[in-house]
Amino acid sequence: GIQVEQSPPDLILQEGANSTLRCNFSDSVNNLQWFHQNPWGQLINLFYIPSGTKQNGRLSATTVATERYSLLYISSSQTTDSGVYFCAARTTGANSKLTFGKGITLSVRP
Amino acid sequence: DTGVSQDPRHKITKRGQNVTFRCDPISEHNRLYWYRQTLGQGPEFLTYFQNEAQLEKSRLLSDRFSAERPKGSFSTLEIQRTEQGDSAMYLCASSSGPRVYYGYTFGSGTRLTVV
Repeated sequence: GIQVEQSPPDLILQEGANSTLRCNFSDSVNNLQWFHQNPWGQLINLFYIPSGTKQNGRLSATTVATERYSLLYISSSQTTDSGVYFCAARTTGANSKLTFGKGITLSVRP
Repeated sequence: DTGVSQDPRHKITKRGQNVTFRCDPISEHNRLYWYRQTLGQGPEFLTYFQNEAQLEKSRLLSDRFSAERPKGSFSTLEIQRTEQGDSAMYLCASSSGPRVYYGYTFGSGTRLTVV
């Protein structure tokens, strides 16, 4: 099945800093999503972005499907951005299965 | 509709007991998914329903696991003869498809501890 790799595994930022989180995937995808898991375990969908660029406030994401990677940008980070960020992808041939990476743990310090 | 609801939030059970979890998806979503997440890992796919039909099951879903979605509404996940290795967060998600937004909405999860 598809392999989803995220980097870096851990990231520590000072409040106000910008960051880029990367997701590489091993196959063509028709579905790619970014999620934020908060300290209570709730997974929040940030972006559905199988290709192209989207922005939502301080967050933006870009997927270059032909090169099999996606980037999540966080600008002017806040302590509430802390948590684990997951990338998940589904191959074009798969009926349903969304495969998750291992996540990137972000800590934003005041 | 406020989102995906899961019940219970926490479950502690003795090894060998059976447990059942419930998931209520967003009402207009016809697709429902179960995932399992262990500490430090990303969610792993267990099974998927489109309406009431169970269309895909992971190899992770042993014979002790069964899932249902009667009438294409809520879903239940049952684990029989629980083992300590079953301890995990069980997550349910729903989505609509195929020609609309494919984003998944997850519930808060059921944390299972087998002692």
